[in-house]
Amino acid sequence: EAQVTQNPRYLITVTGKKLTVTCSQNMNHEYMSWYRQDPGLGLRQIYYSMNVEVTDKGDVPEGYKVSRKEKRNFPLILESPSPNQTSLYFCASSLAGDGIETQYFGPGTRLLVL
Amino acid sequence: AQSVTQPDIHITVSEGASLELRCNYSYGATPYLFWYVQSPGQGLQLLLKYFSGDTLVQGIKGFEAEFKRSQSSFNLRKPSVHWSDAAEYFCAVAGETDSWGKLQFGAGTQVVVTP
Repeated sequence: EAQVTQNPRYLITVTGKKLTVTCSQNMNHEYMSWYRQDPGLGLRQIYYSMNVEVTDKGDVPEGYKVSRKEKRNFPLILESPSPNQTSLYFCASSLAGDGIETQYFGPGTRLLVL
Repeated sequence: AQSVTQPDIHITVSEGASLELRCNYSYGATPYLFWYVQSPGQGLQLLLKYFSGDTLVQGIKGFEAEFKRSQSSFNLRKPSVHWSDAAEYFCAVAGETDSWGKLQFGAGTQVVVTP
C-alpha cells in the first residue's frame, strides 16, 4: 500500500531534550516536506526537500533541522524543543513536478513539549 | 507573497443540505489551487485540484470547486452533504514561479453535519 508513515504518532517530552520524528514514504517520491498544524493557523511549512541531499527552509524553520540522506526518509529533528513547538506535525511527499503534483500526507505526530 | 483566506472558521449544515466553503487567494500569477480534507485524527486527503482548463473541477466524494479569477476565489461545493463529510477542510495554493512544492494553506473551515 502506498503510504507515508510517521513515528511516533504521539510524543510527550520536556524542554531541551532532543527528539527526532521519522517520516518514510514507499512511493519513490522525490519531494518531501514537513508541516506543523496549529489551531487557527492551518498548516505551515517547516522544511522541504526536492531530492536526496537537497533541502530548504519553509515558512517556520526556526528550531528545526532536517536531513535527506535517503530518498524514502525525511526525519525532523528538534535539537532543543521548547513549549512553543507543541503542535501537530505532518510529513508529506509527492513526485517532482511543477506544483500540481498531489502531496500525500502522513497520519500526523502530536507533540507536547512540557 | 501568496496567501489563502478561508473566511468561515466553522460551518454547521444539515445532512442532505448543500454545502459551500469559501476560499480566496492572493497571488500575482497563475495559481495552482487545492482543496484538502482532514477527518478527525487523520492526515490530509486531496479532494481536488485546479491548474488550468475548465474552471469547474470535479473531485472525489462528490465535491466540486469553481475557479473564478475575477474574484480570486476557489469555492468548494457539495450538493448534498452526508454525515461522513464532517471534517476540517483546507484550501491551499501553490505558485508556478515559487518553489513548486510549497503549499500555502488557509486556516481551515470546520464542518459540522447535523441529523
